[in-house]
Amino acid sequence: KQEVTQIPAALSVPEGENLVLNCSFTDSAIYNLQWFRQDPGKGLTSLLLIQSSQREQTSGRLNASLDKSSGRSTLYIAASQPGDSATYLCAPDTGTASKLTFGTGTRLQVTL
Amino acid sequence: DTGVSQDPRHKITKRGQNVTFRCDPISEHNRLYWYRQTLGQGPEFLTYFQNEAQLEKSRLLSDRFSAERPKGSFSTLEIQRTEQGDSAMYLCASSPTSGGANEQFFGPGTRLTVL
Repeated sequence: KQEVTQIPAALSVPEGENLVLNCSFTDSAIYNLQWFRQDPGKGLTSLLLIQSSQREQTSGRLNASLDKSSGRSTLYIAASQPGDSATYLCAPDTGTASKLTFGTGTRLQVTL
Repeated sequence: DTGVSQDPRHKITKRGQNVTFRCDPISEHNRLYWYRQTLGQGPEFLTYFQNEAQLEKSRLLSDRFSAERPKGSFSTLEIQRTEQGDSAMYLCASSPTSGGANEQFFGPGTRLTVL
């Protein structure tokens, strides 16, 4: 059974800092891994998808890496802004259904 | 708006009542997923459709829960005889069937409160 752990559980940083969010998963037989952001009481917004054959994916200030063999992914956020404040969730997909397994997320607060 | 939509956004019901939620996926997406999220937790997989066929169900989906996708387009999730433990956010996601990437796009969710 896939299990996902995200560290840290919560993070507060001043605006402008670069930060790294960590995700680890127990079953390395994944097809893809997605990173999402979730604002309070809202649905999930897909940020990045990394296919199992890729090691890295970039979108604007976001960069995600994947080390499938060690069961790890990181999300790097450059030059953080207050608008980045949200919960960030990573989710590897496994099985023929490609269902996603989520951790409990990292709650990020970026202060002025 | 071409994203995933869900209706209603909020539902308050009394214990023992039946409720039904609707999800409209992105139009060209063959796959549709239901997840449930409780406070402070990540979403948990409930069930999955490929077109109109329900191909996988989680053990979380008790016999009080039923999901359909009759014409391979929108889907409904019904909960019978609701219990307070059913209170959660119910999320729907869709994805295209394409080689390799299977990026899932989520709707805004339906928040269920069972009194």
